[in-house]
Amino acid sequence: EVQLVESGGGLVQPGGSLRLSCETSGFTFSDHYFDWVRQAPGKGLEWVGRARNKAHSYTTEYAASMKGRFTISRDDSKNSLYLQMNSLKTEDTAVYYCARVGEAGTCDFWGQGTLVTVSS
Amino acid sequence: SYELTQPVSVSVALGQTARITCGGDNIGGRNVHWYQQMPGQAPVLVMYRDKIRPSGIPERFSGSNSGNTATLTISRAQAGDEADYYCQVWDSSAAVFGGGTKLTVL
Repeated sequence: EVQLVESGGGLVQPGGSLRLSCETSGFTFSDHYFDWVRQAPGKGLEWVGRARNKAHSYTTEYAASMKGRFTISRDDSKNSLYLQMNSLKTEDTAVYYCARVGEAGTCDFWGQGTLVTVSS
Repeated sequence: SYELTQPVSVSVALGQTARITCGGDNIGGRNVHWYQQMPGQAPVLVMYRDKIRPSGIPERFSGSNSGNTATLTISRAQAGDEADYYCQVWDSSAAVFGGGTKLTVL
């Protein structure tokens, strides 16, 4: 069974940092790309970024509004994906989902999400 | 940047057909994917490459894409289909989501 489990969310002050983790199981992690997608309270889905696999040189892509503040990394030996978030703003408050990238670049499996609250 | 436009809400009578649209400039030339999100849950992929259903998605769900509009069609709508639906495309090395449509089954 494919599983993705996010952790690391919580309350952080504006300007602070947080690192989210996504532990996976049930498939060959190293074969896949992964996305982070977020959802502010009561709002729609917003793509954060993508991490490609070794075959594509572990390259990453980011949404323009997050480039330079957020960094996606992965550890194939731990079947895990990470999202380092710096210089956090109140508008970064959201549930953050990790998702496996499947057919045609879709997010075919999602974690349950972890809530990040940026507030003083 | 590329934008996707969805109606905020769509209502359908129980057992009837719901159509959720996703508008974008020449969207017919792109692969469109659709996600269903139940309240308090993570999204689920229900359609990809315009009209392909992932395993486990009922045949009542179908998709089309032409010109400036992609459409997710749900036939014989059930109460369990009530959810938010999002379209998505890939543009210039970034994924773009539509604003989402809340489907209400009356």
